[in-house]
Amino acid sequence: EDQVTQSPEALRLQEGESSSLNCSYTVSGLRGLFWYRQDPGKGPEFLFTLYSAGEEKEKERLKATLTKKESFLHITAPKPEDSATYLCAIEGWRGGGNKLTFGTGTQLKVEL
Amino acid sequence: GAVVSQHPSWVICKSGTSVKIECRSLDFQATTMFWYRQFPKQSLMLMATSNEGSKATYEQGVEKDKFLINHASLTLSTLTVTSAHPEDSSFYICSASQRAAQETQYFGPGTRLLVL
Repeated sequence: EDQVTQSPEALRLQEGESSSLNCSYTVSGLRGLFWYRQDPGKGPEFLFTLYSAGEEKEKERLKATLTKKESFLHITAPKPEDSATYLCAIEGWRGGGNKLTFGTGTQLKVEL
Repeated sequence: GAVVSQHPSWVICKSGTSVKIECRSLDFQATTMFWYRQFPKQSLMLMATSNEGSKATYEQGVEKDKFLINHASLTLSTLTVTSAHPEDSSFYICSASQRAAQETQYFGPGTRLLVL
């Protein structure tokens, strides 16, 4: 069974204080790993897709990396508007038809 | 690009009534649409997968007679919660993708359902 574990559950940062969020996964063949941002009361907003170990993607203050067992979402010099829940999801070969398994998310709070 | 809308965003209904939620892909053709349910402070749980023109595939434990899904066109899927009860109160989110494996799912804004 595909599983995703995200840590920490919650993270409080000062503005400008860089940090990383972790997503550990187990899957019988990874098709893709996805990062989403979710604001309260809204649907997830797509950030990145990673397909193979060693791959990295960047967007503004965010950078996602992937190994064979985990992914990191690095946040550089965060701002208060980066406050949100960050979700990690995987698609495995077993599921078929791009079914995603989600982690429970990391709730990030960036303070002035 | 890749915008998905949902309607309504909020719905309150009486126990025993049925509620229909619409999910539309606004700027792309979605061969596959997904319906999720999210309880407070929990992650998204997949309810069902639907492909245009065919019957939906439901996840284990999801009652197909209670949660009716129709994917009549490449831009529209509907979820009908039949004979809703208070335990059906939740946040329902749809997503859409342009093709099958490894394709990014784009999510709608969600529909909050409250059954009294």
